[in-house]
Amino acid sequence: EVQLVESGGGLVQPGRSLRLSCAASGFTFDDYAMHWVRQAPGKGLEWVSGISWNSGSIGYADSVKGRFTISRDNAKNSLYLQMNSLRAEDTALYYCAKVGNYGDPFDYWGQGTLVTVSS
Amino acid sequence: DVVMTQSPLSLPVTLGQPASISCRSSQSLVYSDGNTYLNWFQQRPGQSPRRLIYKVSNRDSGVPDRFSGSGSGTDFTLKISRVEAEDVGVYYCMQGTHWPPGLTFGGGTKVEIK
Repeated sequence: EVQLVESGGGLVQPGRSLRLSCAASGFTFDDYAMHWVRQAPGKGLEWVSGISWNSGSIGYADSVKGRFTISRDNAKNSLYLQMNSLRAEDTALYYCAKVGNYGDPFDYWGQGTLVTVSS
Repeated sequence: DVVMTQSPLSLPVTLGQPASISCRSSQSLVYSDGNTYLNWFQQRPGQSPRRLIYKVSNRDSGVPDRFSGSGSGTDFTLKISRVEAEDVGVYYCMQGTHWPPGLTFGGGTKVEIK
């Protein structure tokens, strides 16, 4: 069974940093691209960042470019999101999501980890 | 950047009646390999999103056949042939064609029962 478990969320002050993790199991992690998607309270889904299976292709939404860094450790079956210079508008539930067998996003999602940026 | 526009924003439907959601992209979603990476997701209240349809018209495993997707190029549609109570939620289209640099979700359509 595919499982994606996010962690690392919490309350953080504006300007500070936070690192999210996503532990993957139930599939061959290093065969698939992975992404982060967020959802602000009461709002829609927003794609944040994605990384190919070998970290060769990486992309970011304009809203986080230069502040967030995505990475993965295939030996640990883990995906990460380093978030720096956090702003109030980064407050959201952050989901880890897996790309499907034929490159189709996203066949599996985690339950999300909540990040709240507030003083 | 590709912009995905959904309509309507809200869709009240009578149980057993059909529903249709439109999604338009600002650029063609046909990829160089000939595929069109347009997916549909359902998000029930309090739950993570769930993919219903991939590559325009392919239903995911376990998705009832009352859900269908169609379209091409820049215009796409999700149809529910007969709405059931469990279909209440927000539906999102999403393009995966223009990756990298990025993916884009539509703004969402809230389906509710009249």
